[in-house]
Amino acid sequence: DAGVTQSPTHLIKTRGQQVTLRCSPKSGHDTVSWYQQALGQGPQFIFQYYEEEERQRGNFPDRFSGHQYPNYSSELNVNALLLGDSALYLCASMRGNEKLFFGSGTQLSVL
Amino acid sequence: QQQVKQSPQSLIVQKGGISIINCAYENTAFDYFPWYQQFPGKGPALLIAIRPDVSEKKEGRFTISFNKSAKQFSLHIMDSQPGDSATYFCAALTLNSGNTPLVFGKGTRLSVIA
Repeated sequence: DAGVTQSPTHLIKTRGQQVTLRCSPKSGHDTVSWYQQALGQGPQFIFQYYEEEERQRGNFPDRFSGHQYPNYSSELNVNALLLGDSALYLCASMRGNEKLFFGSGTQLSVL
Repeated sequence: QQQVKQSPQSLIVQKGGISIINCAYENTAFDYFPWYQQFPGKGPALLIAIRPDVSEKKEGRFTISFNKSAKQFSLHIMDSQPGDSATYFCAALTLNSGNTPLVFGKGTRLSVIA
């Protein structure tokens, strides 16, 4: 049983570009959350998707958007990249109120 | 405003010793307090969690102590091993109000030396 898988593992972009990160949840999970983890910090909640809709959102600008597909996979899109967007982006999945499983993340570097 | 404050930032413990990491929270609506372990290049993995209706929970070498009146909780790692060297995060959320997202502390980098 594969856990949460994320792609790509690493990505380098330049300021002003747009990026799309992808996540496949653990089998049987229907809820996907995205977190941003800056170097030396704890993960910060970006948003959560359930039934293809954004259910909750953290304190992130509209440049951060997402999508969930009928097969529960999800994408995180970031427009107009800033240097400060450089971070590890983590996807986490769960079913109901059960345990949250994290993927290994996508390391995004903005130059 | 940081909702969960974690200390220390880093910790060095001798093999076989006890590692203690502390967290404090402000939001009394929090009702679920997990600890996560993160190795380099990996996502956080749930280690152990506690609800506020108990003061202590033990799983193997890992124990959470919870003080509701002080709004503090701590992780104790007994007989610490080099393989425990990782970054540990405390977190909190409100399960009873629609499952609010996890709020994490800033993390503690633990190094267990032989």
